[in-house]
Amino acid sequence: GDSVTQMEGPVTLSEEAFLTINCTYTATGYPSLFWYVQYPGEGLQLLLKATKADDKGSNKGFEATYRKETTSFHLEKGSVQVSDSAVYFCALSDVQTGANNLFFGTGTRLTVIP
Amino acid sequence: GAGVSQSPSNKVTEKGKDVELRCDPISGHTALYWYRQSLGQGLEFLIYFQGNSAPDKSGLPSDRFSAERTGGSVSTLTIQRTQQEDSAVYLCASSGQGVYNEQFFGPGTRLTVL
Repeated sequence: GDSVTQMEGPVTLSEEAFLTINCTYTATGYPSLFWYVQYPGEGLQLLLKATKADDKGSNKGFEATYRKETTSFHLEKGSVQVSDSAVYFCALSDVQTGANNLFFGTGTRLTVIP
Repeated sequence: GAGVSQSPSNKVTEKGKDVELRCDPISGHTALYWYRQSLGQGLEFLIYFQGNSAPDKSGLPSDRFSAERTGGSVSTLTIQRTQQEDSAVYLCASSGQGVYNEQFFGPGTRLTVL
Protein backbone atom coordinates (compact mmCIF):
# COMPACT_ATOMS: atom_id res chain seq x y z
CA GLY A 1 0.00 0.00 0.00
CA ASP A 2 0.86 3.66 -0.17
CA SER A 3 2.92 5.16 2.64
CA VAL A 4 5.26 8.01 3.51
CA THR A 5 8.28 7.90 5.79
CA GLN A 6 9.86 11.10 6.98
CA MET A 7 12.61 12.12 9.36
CA GLU A 8 11.11 12.17 12.83
CA GLY A 9 12.85 15.03 14.56
CA PRO A 10 12.53 17.22 16.44
CA VAL A 11 14.99 19.38 14.55
CA THR A 12 16.53 22.45 16.17
CA LEU A 13 18.53 24.87 14.04
CA SER A 14 20.04 28.29 14.43
CA GLU A 15 18.73 31.09 12.26
CA GLU A 16 20.24 31.11 8.74
CA ALA A 17 21.21 27.43 8.94
CA PHE A 18 20.53 25.00 6.08
CA LEU A 19 17.52 22.72 6.48
CA THR A 20 16.89 19.26 5.08
CA ILE A 21 13.94 17.09 6.11
CA ASN A 22 14.04 13.69 4.46
CA CYS A 23 10.95 12.07 3.00
CA THR A 24 10.62 8.79 1.11
CA TYR A 25 7.49 7.16 -0.19
CA THR A 26 5.97 3.89 -1.32
CA ALA A 27 3.19 4.02 -3.87
CA THR A 28 1.35 1.65 -6.18
CA GLY A 29 0.79 4.16 -8.97
CA TYR A 30 2.35 7.50 -9.85
CA PRO A 31 1.64 9.75 -6.90
CA SER A 32 1.59 13.48 -6.47
CA LEU A 33 3.79 14.60 -3.59
CA PHE A 34 3.20 17.40 -1.12
CA TRP A 35 4.73 19.17 1.84
CA TYR A 36 2.25 20.62 4.32
CA VAL A 37 3.17 22.90 7.22
CA GLN A 38 1.40 23.44 10.53
CA TYR A 39 2.43 26.65 12.31
CA PRO A 40 1.76 26.88 16.05
CA GLY A 41 -1.95 27.30 16.71
CA GLU A 42 -2.86 27.14 13.02
CA GLY A 43 -4.27 24.57 10.60
CA LEU A 44 -2.41 22.58 7.99
CA GLN A 45 -1.36 24.58 4.94
CA LEU A 46 0.06 23.38 1.66
CA LEU A 47 3.67 24.49 1.38
CA LEU A 48 4.58 23.03 -2.01
CA LYS A 49 3.79 20.17 -4.37
CA ALA A 50 5.12 18.20 -7.32
CA THR A 51 2.94 16.08 -9.56
CA LYS A 52 5.45 14.12 -11.66
CA ALA A 53 8.99 12.83 -11.62
CA ASP A 54 11.76 15.48 -11.71
CA ASP A 55 9.30 18.27 -10.90
CA LYS A 56 10.56 20.75 -8.31
CA GLY A 57 8.07 22.36 -5.98
CA SER A 58 9.04 25.63 -4.34
CA ASN A 59 7.52 28.23 -2.05
CA LYS A 60 8.75 30.69 0.60
CA GLY A 61 12.35 29.66 -0.03
CA PHE A 62 11.59 25.96 0.47
CA GLU A 63 12.21 23.46 -2.32
CA ALA A 64 11.63 19.75 -2.89
CA THR A 65 12.35 17.66 -5.99
CA TYR A 66 10.31 14.59 -6.94
CA ARG A 67 12.91 11.82 -7.36
CA LYS A 68 11.32 8.67 -8.78
CA GLU A 69 14.58 6.70 -8.84
CA THR A 70 15.06 7.12 -5.09
CA THR A 71 11.33 7.50 -4.25
CA SER A 72 12.15 10.65 -2.33
CA PHE A 73 10.86 14.19 -1.89
CA HIS A 74 13.25 15.82 0.56
CA LEU A 75 12.45 19.33 1.79
CA GLU A 76 15.26 21.91 1.77
CA LYS A 77 15.76 25.54 2.63
CA GLY A 78 19.03 27.38 2.36
CA SER A 79 18.59 29.78 5.28
CA VAL A 80 15.88 29.19 7.89
CA GLN A 81 14.22 31.92 9.91
CA VAL A 82 12.59 31.87 13.34
CA SER A 83 9.23 32.21 11.59
CA ASP A 84 9.81 28.81 9.91
CA SER A 85 9.35 27.06 13.27
CA ALA A 86 6.50 24.65 12.67
CA VAL A 87 5.65 20.99 12.06
CA TYR A 88 6.25 19.81 8.49
CA PHE A 89 4.37 16.89 6.94
CA CYS A 90 5.28 15.04 3.78
CA ALA A 91 2.27 13.55 1.98
CA LEU A 92 1.25 11.76 -1.19
CA SER A 93 -1.91 11.39 -3.19
CA ASP A 94 -2.18 8.42 -5.53
CA VAL A 95 -5.24 9.42 -7.55
CA GLN A 96 -4.42 7.11 -10.45
CA THR A 97 -5.23 4.16 -8.20
CA GLY A 98 -8.50 5.79 -7.19
CA ALA A 99 -7.27 6.95 -3.80
CA ASN A 100 -8.07 10.63 -3.52
CA ASN A 101 -7.04 10.97 0.10
CA LEU A 102 -3.63 12.09 1.31
CA PHE A 103 -1.21 9.70 3.00
CA PHE A 104 0.88 11.62 5.52
CA GLY A 105 4.22 11.07 7.18
CA THR A 106 4.39 11.43 10.95
CA GLY A 107 5.56 15.04 10.84
CA THR A 108 8.83 16.73 11.74
CA ARG A 109 8.89 19.53 14.30
CA LEU A 110 11.34 22.29 13.40
CA THR A 111 12.45 24.88 15.93
CA VAL A 112 14.63 27.74 14.75
CA ILE A 113 16.44 29.69 17.44
CA PRO A 114 17.74 33.24 16.98
CA GLY B 1 -16.49 32.13 4.74
CA ALA B 2 -13.06 32.20 3.21
CA GLY B 3 -11.83 28.89 4.56
CA VAL B 4 -12.89 25.55 5.97
CA SER B 5 -14.53 25.91 9.36
CA GLN B 6 -15.07 23.27 12.01
CA SER B 7 -17.06 23.17 15.21
CA PRO B 8 -16.69 22.80 18.06
CA SER B 9 -13.02 23.68 18.39
CA ASN B 10 -12.78 21.59 21.55
CA LYS B 11 -14.98 18.80 22.85
CA VAL B 12 -14.62 16.93 26.12
CA THR B 13 -16.87 13.94 26.61
CA GLU B 14 -17.21 10.91 28.81
CA LYS B 15 -16.46 7.42 27.63
CA GLY B 16 -19.53 5.81 26.10
CA LYS B 17 -21.20 9.05 24.96
CA ASP B 18 -21.86 9.92 21.31
CA VAL B 19 -20.32 13.03 19.73
CA GLU B 20 -20.94 14.97 16.52
CA LEU B 21 -18.30 17.06 14.82
CA ARG B 22 -19.19 19.53 12.10
CA CYS B 23 -17.34 20.73 9.01
CA ASP B 24 -18.23 23.59 6.67
CA PRO B 25 -16.14 23.30 3.50
CA ILE B 26 -15.13 26.12 1.21
CA SER B 27 -18.09 27.15 -0.92
CA GLY B 28 -18.05 25.41 -4.30
CA HIS B 29 -15.63 22.67 -3.27
CA THR B 30 -16.98 19.30 -4.35
CA ALA B 31 -14.64 17.08 -2.35
CA LEU B 32 -14.58 16.81 1.44
CA TYR B 33 -12.23 14.74 3.60
CA TRP B 34 -12.01 13.83 7.27
CA TYR B 35 -8.67 12.99 8.89
CA ARG B 36 -7.62 12.21 12.44
CA GLN B 37 -4.41 13.49 14.02
CA SER B 38 -3.36 11.63 17.14
CA LEU B 39 -0.16 11.03 19.08
CA GLY B 40 1.59 7.94 17.85
CA GLN B 41 -0.63 7.57 14.78
CA GLY B 42 0.12 10.76 12.91
CA LEU B 43 -2.47 11.92 10.39
CA GLU B 44 -4.90 9.22 9.29
CA PHE B 45 -7.48 9.40 6.53
CA LEU B 46 -11.00 8.57 7.66
CA ILE B 47 -13.55 9.25 4.91
CA TYR B 48 -13.89 11.10 1.58
CA PHE B 49 -16.95 12.59 -0.13
CA GLN B 50 -16.96 13.63 -3.80
CA GLY B 51 -20.11 15.30 -5.11
CA ASN B 52 -23.06 12.92 -5.08
CA SER B 53 -20.96 9.77 -5.32
CA ALA B 54 -20.91 7.14 -2.60
CA PRO B 55 -18.32 8.11 0.01
CA ASP B 56 -14.99 6.32 0.39
CA LYS B 57 -15.21 5.00 3.93
CA SER B 58 -12.08 2.88 3.76
CA GLY B 59 -10.29 4.78 6.54
CA LEU B 60 -12.97 4.57 9.22
CA PRO B 61 -11.44 2.64 12.14
CA SER B 62 -14.65 0.97 13.35
CA ASP B 63 -18.42 0.89 12.83
CA ARG B 64 -18.75 3.39 15.68
CA PHE B 65 -17.61 6.05 13.20
CA SER B 66 -19.92 7.43 10.53
CA ALA B 67 -20.21 10.59 8.49
CA GLU B 68 -22.78 12.36 6.40
CA ARG B 69 -22.63 15.19 3.93
CA THR B 70 -25.92 16.98 3.43
CA GLY B 71 -26.69 18.83 0.20
CA GLY B 72 -23.12 18.41 -0.99
CA SER B 73 -21.89 20.94 1.57
CA VAL B 74 -21.79 20.60 5.35
CA SER B 75 -20.53 17.34 6.80
CA THR B 76 -21.01 15.77 10.21
CA LEU B 77 -18.71 13.11 11.66
CA THR B 78 -20.40 11.04 14.36
CA ILE B 79 -18.59 8.85 16.85
CA GLN B 80 -20.84 6.56 18.86
CA ARG B 81 -19.97 5.09 22.25
CA THR B 82 -16.71 7.01 22.40
CA GLN B 83 -13.59 5.32 23.75
CA GLN B 84 -10.46 6.91 25.22
CA GLU B 85 -8.48 5.93 22.13
CA ASP B 86 -10.78 8.17 20.08
CA SER B 87 -9.12 11.20 21.68
CA ALA B 88 -7.46 13.12 18.85
CA VAL B 89 -7.73 16.20 16.68
CA TYR B 90 -10.23 15.64 13.89
CA LEU B 91 -9.41 17.58 10.74
CA CYS B 92 -11.65 18.36 7.81
CA ALA B 93 -10.39 19.38 4.37
CA SER B 94 -12.03 20.31 1.08
CA SER B 95 -10.86 20.63 -2.49
CA GLY B 96 -12.24 21.68 -5.85
CA GLN B 97 -12.44 19.91 -9.23
CA GLY B 98 -9.42 18.31 -10.85
CA VAL B 99 -6.95 15.54 -10.23
CA TYR B 100 -4.19 17.26 -8.30
CA ASN B 101 -6.23 19.74 -6.33
CA GLU B 102 -4.85 21.18 -3.15
CA GLN B 103 -6.75 20.19 -0.04
CA PHE B 104 -7.58 23.10 2.26
CA PHE B 105 -7.74 22.17 5.92
CA GLY B 106 -9.86 23.48 8.74
CA PRO B 107 -8.48 24.26 12.21
CA GLY B 108 -9.68 20.94 13.61
CA THR B 109 -11.76 19.76 16.55
CA ARG B 110 -9.81 18.53 19.57
CA LEU B 111 -11.75 15.63 21.09
CA THR B 112 -10.92 14.42 24.59
CA VAL B 113 -12.63 11.31 25.90
CA LEU B 114 -12.36 10.95 29.66
